[in-house]
Amino acid sequence: DQQVKQNSPSLSVQEGRISILNCDYTNSMFDYFLWYKKYPAEGPTFLISISSIKDKNEDGRFTVFLNKSAKHLSLHIVPSQPGDSAVYFCAASFQGAQKLVFGQGTRLTINP
Amino acid sequence: DTEVTQTPKHLVMGMTNKKSLKCEQHMGHRAMYWYKQKAKKPPELMFVYSYEKLSINESVPSRFSPECPNSSLLNLHLHALQPEDSALYLCASSQTPGGSYNEQFFGPGTRLTVL
Repeated sequence: DQQVKQNSPSLSVQEGRISILNCDYTNSMFDYFLWYKKYPAEGPTFLISISSIKDKNEDGRFTVFLNKSAKHLSLHIVPSQPGDSAVYFCAASFQGAQKLVFGQGTRLTINP
Repeated sequence: DTEVTQTPKHLVMGMTNKKSLKCEQHMGHRAMYWYKQKAKKPPELMFVYSYEKLSINESVPSRFSPECPNSSLLNLHLHALQPEDSALYLCASSQTPGGSYNEQFFGPGTRLTVL
């Protein structure tokens, strides 16, 4: 049972445009969501997070939106840069849990 | 210091060898984690240490043996591994073991190859 789903395995975006990565979840207990970026052969890097009491969180070029009724979150990157090319993982957790539940990842490619 | 370090970066071992992976953090975090990651897959949780005590073992085979000597260090002892254990092994830490408002910070990983 995959509780966190990233349905797009890959996404290609032109440099300077907006990249939108999507994530859906099924467990209503999740109350904290995170996005990680991963380059090949490196550990994931924490990007941005959002708690369920908010519907938006912004940090520079990165904005995460949360739609609790739809159990959906998205990561917006604007403007997209070549260095953003990586695999992006969505993860979720809830109070008292000691682990993150990861999605399968989306490979983002930024084209010049 | 906001870094999780892991050594070695690469490790090649035979199925009869014994080796250890090391992880260190100096952020004062009280939870530490071992993950295994195969290509094109998300990280897969193996163990969680909470205040230096093993709190979660995700049914990992006994050929993997974790150890937390102190609050800054985490080891993973390897013995009699199989070729299918070849993967990127990631260490992570977080301020506390709780789930919410508790980002996990990952090290660069150890690329393990079992021959």
